[in-house]
Amino acid sequence: AQKVTQAQTEISVVEKEDVTLDCVYETRDTTYYLFWYKQPPSGELVFLIRRNSFDEQNEISGRYSWNFQKSTSSFNFTITASQVVDSAVYFCALSDNTDKLIFGTGTRLQVFP
Amino acid sequence: DTEVTQTPKHLVMGMTNKKSLKCEQHMGHRAMYWYKQKAKKPPELMFVYSYEKLSINESVPSRFSPECPNSSLLNLHLHALQPEDSALYLCASSQVRRGAVNEQFFGPGTRLTVL
Repeated sequence: AQKVTQAQTEISVVEKEDVTLDCVYETRDTTYYLFWYKQPPSGELVFLIRRNSFDEQNEISGRYSWNFQKSTSSFNFTITASQVVDSAVYFCALSDNTDKLIFGTGTRLQVFP
Repeated sequence: DTEVTQTPKHLVMGMTNKKSLKCEQHMGHRAMYWYKQKAKKPPELMFVYSYEKLSINESVPSRFSPECPNSSLLNLHLHALQPEDSALYLCASSQVRRGAVNEQFFGPGTRLTVL
């Protein structure tokens, strides 16, 4: 069975702090895809990154970076120098080569000025 | 045009009403999705359409009836809903590529309240 665990329910930081959101996944498939989405208070889910199981390279996009480690089944997300606009709920999701996304329970990030 | 639009933004309906939620995308995506999201929970998949055909129905009650009139439009018809159906309803779309799973792009959602 597939499962995504985001153990951190809520994280609070002060602006300019670095913060890492954890994501641990379970799957029996050798081919799978991992995603991160951001959901600000407005409600819309914003796509951040997609990674397939054969690509373990870490990725950096501006202040965002992702660390994919198959050995620990983790796909962690780090925001460097956090800003108030980063406040949102962040979802990690898994897909096993179908149209179904299995979402984690989300981590609510609050960045205070 | 890289967005998914949904109307209405808010909807309040009684349990005997019939209403419809609408979703539109012009990105040429051939897969479209309906999700339901309760407060402080992740989105739950309801339906998937691929090339205008229903490909996944996650055992959704028949009071929710999806329709895909063409490749750009997705509707969700609502009838005889219950108060527990109150939620944020999200539409999404994605490309369809054989052998790969593509990212889904989400609309802003319709916040539904059933009285």
